Amino acid sequence: QKEVEQDPGPLSVPEGAIVSLNCTYSNSAFQYFMWYRQYSRKGPELLMYTYSSGNKEDGRFTAQVDKSSKYISLFIRDSQPSDSATYLCAMRGDNNDMRFGAGTRLTVKP
Amino acid sequence: EAQVTQNPRYLITVTGKKLTVTCSQNMNHEYMSWYRQDPGLGLRQIYYSMNVEVTDKGDVPEGYKVSRKEKRNFPLILESPSPNQTSLYFCASGTGLSYGYTFGSGTRLTVV
Repeated sequence: QKEVEQDPGPLSVPEGAIVSLNCTYSNSAFQYFMWYRQYSRKGPELLMYTYSSGNKEDGRFTAQVDKSSKYISLFIRDSQPSDSATYLCAMRGDNNDMRFGAGTRLTVKP
Repeated sequence: EAQVTQNPRYLITVTGKKLTVTCSQNMNHEYMSWYRQDPGLGLRQIYYSMNVEVTDKGDVPEGYKVSRKEKRNFPLILESPSPNQTSLYFCASGTGLSYGYTFGSGTRLTVV
C-alpha cells in the first residue's frame, strides 16, 4: 500500500463546475498537508497548505483535512479553463520528509 | 525574482556517459532536494540536503550522486546513466521546516 493514494484521473469537467480532488494516507504522523498545482512542462507550485485537521479557504479554493479518516480534499468552485493542470497532494510530519500523491490531471472545458 | 533554476531543460544522452544536472536557488534556503517524476508514481525523492555539506538519501538514490558545497547549488550527478533513469527531474528548495517547497522547471532526461 502506498503511503499516499491519489486518484490519477483524468478528470474532465465543464467550466463553472465544482471540482473535488482527494487523497488518502496511511501515516498518522503526517500533520502538514499541501496541495500543489502543476501545469504542463512546469514544476509544481504550492497552491494551499493546512496544518492538522480543519478547513482553509483561499478564493475559489478550499482545502479540507480529516485526520481521523486520513483523508484530505481540495475543492475548486466555479472552475475555469485556466485551472486545467495536474494537482498533487503532499504531506509530512515533523521533518522534511514530504510525501506526494501521484497527481490528478484536471481538464476544465469551456 | 525568487526562483530555483535547473539546467539543462532537456537532455538526451547515451548509456554510461556521465552527466550533471545543475540546480541553483537565490532564496538562501537551507533545504534542497531532488525528485524524479514518473507517470503513475508521482514525485519520488532521490537525495536531499539540510544544509551545506549535509546530504542524505531519499527513496530512490541508486545510480545518483549529489554534493552541496555551497548553499545555493545542489547538482545531481549520474555517473553511469542507464535507460531506467529516463525521467523528469525536479530540484526543490525550502526554509527549514517550511510548509512547501519552491520547485524548478524540471529537466527531462532521456537515456538511450
